[in-house]
Amino acid sequence: NAGVMQNPRHLVRRRGQEARLRCSPMKGHSHVYWYRQLPEEGLKFMVYLQKENIIDESGMPKERFSAEFPKEGPSILRIQQVVRGDSAAYFCASSRQGADEQYFGPGTRLTVT
Amino acid sequence: KNEVEQSPQNLTAQEGEFITINCSYSVGISALHWLQQHPGGGIVSLFMLSSGKKKHGRLIATINIQEKHSSLRITASHPRDSAVYICAVSGAGGTSYGKLTFGQGTILTVHP
Repeated sequence: NAGVMQNPRHLVRRRGQEARLRCSPMKGHSHVYWYRQLPEEGLKFMVYLQKENIIDESGMPKERFSAEFPKEGPSILRIQQVVRGDSAAYFCASSRQGADEQYFGPGTRLTVT
Repeated sequence: KNEVEQSPQNLTAQEGEFITINCSYSVGISALHWLQQHPGGGIVSLFMLSSGKKKHGRLIATINIQEKHSSLRITASHPRDSAVYICAVSGAGGTSYGKLTFGQGTILTVHP
């Protein structure tokens, strides 16, 4: 019974490249949340998705960031034209429909050089 | 002012001491969560509370809904308890889903 999976665990990108972060929720979970933890800062909500729907993207930067959760396959957080300020740990969490309890993945640590 | 405030920000203890971390929130919520994060590590959910008290081993979490306050207590602390403890709330402001709003975390260091 695998938990929430994220890959890659570590990602290094040069400025201007694209970063793709993947999250596979726990079996039976149809809700995915993405959170970002900037260095020396707390966790912040980015986006909440259900299968094929973005429900709340109020925490996503308006430009360069996008997220999807297709009918089949993992949820993807995509960052285009990365900048040094995007360096952070990105965590995804999943939950069942209607449930408050979330299970976190191990995170992807993005470093932009 | 943040919707979720934790205190203290840093806490140092000797092994065996009793630890209390506090969390106050300013909005209506559906549940309060206590999370643990080790340096460079992932996030583990310790407790989810909507009322009363929960206990797991040496950890006890309580919540007072009227006062909008929660505490996480660790009895007989151990160096392996050293981590960041994060308070978070879901359903803040009446949202109908589990989006979390986080406190800034409490860095706990337990010395042998």
